[in-house]
Amino acid sequence: DGGITQSPKYLFRKEGQNVTLSCEQNLNHDAMYWYRQDPGQGLRLIYYSQIVNDFQKGDIAEGYSVSREKKESFPLTVTSAQKNPTAFYLCASSIGLAGGRTGELFFGEGSRLTVL
Amino acid sequence: AQSVAQPEDQVNVAEGNPLTVKCTYSVSGNPYLFWYVQYPNRGLQFLLKYITGDNLVKGSYGFEAEFNKSQTSFHLKKPSALVSDSALYFCAVRVSGAGSYQLTFGKGTKLSVIP
Repeated sequence: DGGITQSPKYLFRKEGQNVTLSCEQNLNHDAMYWYRQDPGQGLRLIYYSQIVNDFQKGDIAEGYSVSREKKESFPLTVTSAQKNPTAFYLCASSIGLAGGRTGELFFGEGSRLTVL
Repeated sequence: AQSVAQPEDQVNVAEGNPLTVKCTYSVSGNPYLFWYVQYPNRGLQFLLKYITGDNLVKGSYGFEAEFNKSQTSFHLKKPSALVSDSALYFCAVRVSGAGSYQLTFGKGTKLSVIP
């Protein structure tokens, strides 16, 4: 079945370490997104990518980096510069918006990062 | 700038009663509006969307939502609540058109259906 796969589901990191979260989709979607979820704060956009080899910063990009070398993959690196990285991270994808498409997002199951 | 407000952090309703989860939005231009549901430690699942046309939109699991342009609202409703509806619900908005990919979410409303 088509879908979005995030890994790992749970991840623990020591302070000062970078960590990379994986996101793979087989929906043939053009656009991919990373959101961060904290209790009581909803979802906040970190980065998004409309096409391969292109991405834009969202509202809270500081301390994060991404790449989009393949259509199917959009990994997120949480760097040591991120001051408070403990959170639930959600990857999503959508079809392109050309032709009046509505762009609803399809989400992965999330990755929970805890900094020790 | 676009924004979404979900004025209630939590909504409690008895099983079998109708439920409403409120959402208001602000956007420059015509809105595309969405509702998602999230169960604990899971990703978000799409419930329904409003694009244009009929103000009453029907979605998954018996949910519906009513778009009210004058009140800039998009409240989620269900005629008879189930215990299994207990979850976190998010409203989201995007301006229509191909130029904007950013979907803005509300902070979520926790729905508890009491047996």
